[in-house]
Amino acid sequence: AQTVTQSQPEMSVQEAETVTLSCTYDTSESDYYLFWYKQPPSRQMILVIRQEAYKQQNATENRFSVNFQKAAKSFSLKISDSQLGDAAMYFCAYWAASGSRLTFGEGTQLTVNP
Amino acid sequence: NAGVMQNPRHLVRRRGQEARLRCSPMKGHSHVYWYRQLPEEGLKFMVYLQKENIIDESGMPKERFSAEFPKEGPSILRIQQVVRGDSAAYFCASSPRTSPSTDTQYFGPGTRLTVL
Repeated sequence: AQTVTQSQPEMSVQEAETVTLSCTYDTSESDYYLFWYKQPPSRQMILVIRQEAYKQQNATENRFSVNFQKAAKSFSLKISDSQLGDAAMYFCAYWAASGSRLTFGEGTQLTVNP
Repeated sequence: NAGVMQNPRHLVRRRGQEARLRCSPMKGHSHVYWYRQLPEEGLKFMVYLQKENIIDESGMPKERFSAEFPKEGPSILRIQQVVRGDSAAYFCASSPRTSPSTDTQYFGPGTRLTVL
């Protein structure tokens, strides 16, 4: 079974600084996809970024980028120039190409200090 | 383009009552997924449906829980004889097709169920 682990329950960053959130996963599949979702206090799940496992190039979306290390099964999220609106719970998620479900980590609560 | 709609946003039930949660997928999406988020935890998969078919219900509790996605109308997650342990946020997501190669699950705002 696939598992997703986020080892940092809480992180904090100063406004305008950079922060990296960690995620590791375990799978025997070769074809899969990885996601970061953001859940602000409104509890809406918002897609931040996605990465295809077959792509070597790391995905980027504006201030958000990932460091995907396939051999190490690591998928970290880097937030540059942090803003107050980035404060939220961040979830790492895995989706096997052969499956139908997203498997989520337990989340990292990010605080942005002014 | 309207997003995934869920209603009600908040639902309060007493123990033993029934809870019905509704989800309307994004326009053009025919695949619906239900997830449950217990307090202080991540989301856990419950069930995956296409129109009129349950594709994967391996995450659904065996008793009291059922789901449907009729040809017309929203997907319904039904919880019979609710207990306090059912108190959670229930999220619905939709996607246009199951292959994730170009696909993503988009989430609704969730329904927060409180069982008294």
